[in-house]
Amino acid sequence: QKEVEQDPGPLSVPEGAIVSLNCTYSNSAFQYFMWYRQYSRKGPELLMYTYSSGNKEDGRFTAQVDKSSKYISLFIRDSQPSDSATYLCAMVGGSNYKLTFGKGTLLTVNP
Amino acid sequence: DGGITQSPKYLFRKEGQNVTLSCEQNLNHDAMYWYRQDPGQGLRLIYYSQIVNDFQKGDIAEGYSVSREKKESFPLTVTSAQKNPTAFYLCASSIGPEAFFGQGTRLTVV
Repeated sequence: QKEVEQDPGPLSVPEGAIVSLNCTYSNSAFQYFMWYRQYSRKGPELLMYTYSSGNKEDGRFTAQVDKSSKYISLFIRDSQPSDSATYLCAMVGGSNYKLTFGKGTLLTVNP
Repeated sequence: DGGITQSPKYLFRKEGQNVTLSCEQNLNHDAMYWYRQDPGQGLRLIYYSQIVNDFQKGDIAEGYSVSREKKESFPLTVTSAQKNPTAFYLCASSIGPEAFFGQGTRLTVV
């Protein structure tokens, strides 16, 4: 079993839709849970991260972590064509802050 | 502007050659990382360094080498021992759990 599992999609939605992206993980030592957005042929950019369980909101984006289920989610409200990208979940455990990534979900928001 | 600069953006290598990818950061971060990304794959860790003059192997270090002589620089050499080097290479630096990435180098073997 891989440490981090992420459905690669692709996911295609109409503009204005609510998007739900998810990852599951197996390593109980993970403490920080990140979401990165990567446009084609670019480096990933950090959208937001959460420490331990709970929710975090930033504008149209909400991250949720359920450590009891080992399940994390990213919700995008009022999705825009500019949100079209690959979304990568990543997790950190331990003092060396090494990131373990999911494979990424390719999202397309259609005008 | 603070950030991470990778160069070159595109690199072509002949079989049997070693090539070096550059990564420079001016964020004053202690930790730096090299990842490899293949189509449909997530990022896989090649090497990382938490302090100058020290580095550790990641999950796929075979065929790669690094150095960390200065805090701001972490070059990656892809050696001829790397059997399948064609990929997108990403450098990152971090402060705590927040990692910031460069724009990547696309390496192609010709």
